[in-house]
Amino acid sequence: ELKVEQNPLFLSMQEGKNYTIYCNYSTTSDRLYWYRQDPGKSLESLFVLLSNGAVKQEGRLMASLDTKARLSTLHITAAVHDLSATYFCAALNRDDKIIFGKGTRLHILP
Amino acid sequence: DAGITQSPRHKVTETGTPVTLRCHQTENHRYMYWYRQDPGHGLRLIHYSYGVKDTDKGEVSDGYSVSRSKTEDFLLTLESATSSQTSVYFCAISDPIVAGGPPVSYNEQFFGPGTRLTVL
Repeated sequence: ELKVEQNPLFLSMQEGKNYTIYCNYSTTSDRLYWYRQDPGKSLESLFVLLSNGAVKQEGRLMASLDTKARLSTLHITAAVHDLSATYFCAALNRDDKIIFGKGTRLHILP
Repeated sequence: DAGITQSPRHKVTETGTPVTLRCHQTENHRYMYWYRQDPGHGLRLIHYSYGVKDTDKGEVSDGYSVSRSKTEDFLLTLESATSSQTSVYFCAISDPIVAGGPPVSYNEQFFGPGTRLTVL
């Protein structure tokens, strides 16, 4: 059974700093997804990672995938307050269902 | 927003009453999903549909049923609501990518705005 674990679950950081959110998954998966959720809002798709070594970047966010280590990372560069949100990773299991991690609540201090 | 709406957006009901939530999409997506979101649990899949009249259970399906009589609507029913079903419910859609075999949902999901349900 596929399990997805994120860490940290809570992160408070200063503007301008860099940080990484880690997403480990327990069994082989063909797809890894990252989503963003603002308080009281729906989920917004950020990245879909399809293969080992895949790297995608959008603004200050960069996601990567290491299928051998069953690890994906979401790296934040020079954080700004607007990036404060909850970030979810999710992986596709063998039954083609998407399993979500518990989310990382990111708070960026001005 | 991928043309997904949910109704109602907010509902307060009493224990033991039936509740139906509706997810409506306008872009002919094949796959539709119902999730619930609770603090500390992330999103958990309740049921999903891979076509009209084709549905299957997710990881937390007990106490819920679904129906999909036409492509654009996916209904989630709580036959007899309980306080443990107080949650935020999200509908999502995606499309399959055929890779030489049966269609499977490899594509990213797009989510509706959510329904906040409170069961007293």
